[in-house]
Amino acid sequence: SAVISQKPSRDICQRGTSLTIQCQVDSQVTMMFWYRQQPGQSLTLIATANQGSEATYESGFVIDKFPISRPNLTFSTLTVSNMSPEDSSIYLCSVFTLGEQYFGPGTRLTVT
Amino acid sequence: DAKTTQPTSMDCAEGRAANLPCNHSTISGNEYVYWYRQIHSQGPQYIIHGLKNNETNEMASLIITEDRKSSTLILPHATLRDTAVYYCIVRLLLTGTASKLTFGTGTRLQVTL
Repeated sequence: SAVISQKPSRDICQRGTSLTIQCQVDSQVTMMFWYRQQPGQSLTLIATANQGSEATYESGFVIDKFPISRPNLTFSTLTVSNMSPEDSSIYLCSVFTLGEQYFGPGTRLTVT
Repeated sequence: DAKTTQPTSMDCAEGRAANLPCNHSTISGNEYVYWYRQIHSQGPQYIIHGLKNNETNEMASLIITEDRKSSTLILPHATLRDTAVYYCIVRLLLTGTASKLTFGTGTRLQVTL
């Protein structure tokens, strides 16, 4: 299995600011994903971040708003830029390894 | 990825079997059926997956119909801690890699005393 940690676990931010979320995995993985879960909703894939290549964004998500870094096989960051109240969500990091997909505990973001 | 259809919510008495259905009528021959659950305020947890044959592990059993157009997740003895949203997802699984995991709305299972 893979153990995933995220920082911060939660934050309250003012609109117009940016927040960088960190994702650390306890083993080397190639495939890493970032999801968003808005209040009362299901999970929506933001982007796929494979090490050594540019992140691939899903429809409705753009790099300027959600820049992603993937410097090595155990770490990634997602930045939520120029935040608005609509960005209030739980952001989850996920990895696919050894035939299974694992999820981090999530970062609960509230934008005021 | 094939779409799935699940009931919005279900109730189950503690100690009884919880049977969660899922329709995936457009599934293709090389797509797997996966089940995850999300307990409130936590990240999704993998439960089980299968291709054609029925599967069982320490958490649950997965029954896939012969035509593969539907499946049922069975929690044999539901407990209060099984209260969660259960997601049925079909995805392509290849050696060492997989297609993206697309979540639907899931089934909210409420286990009661």
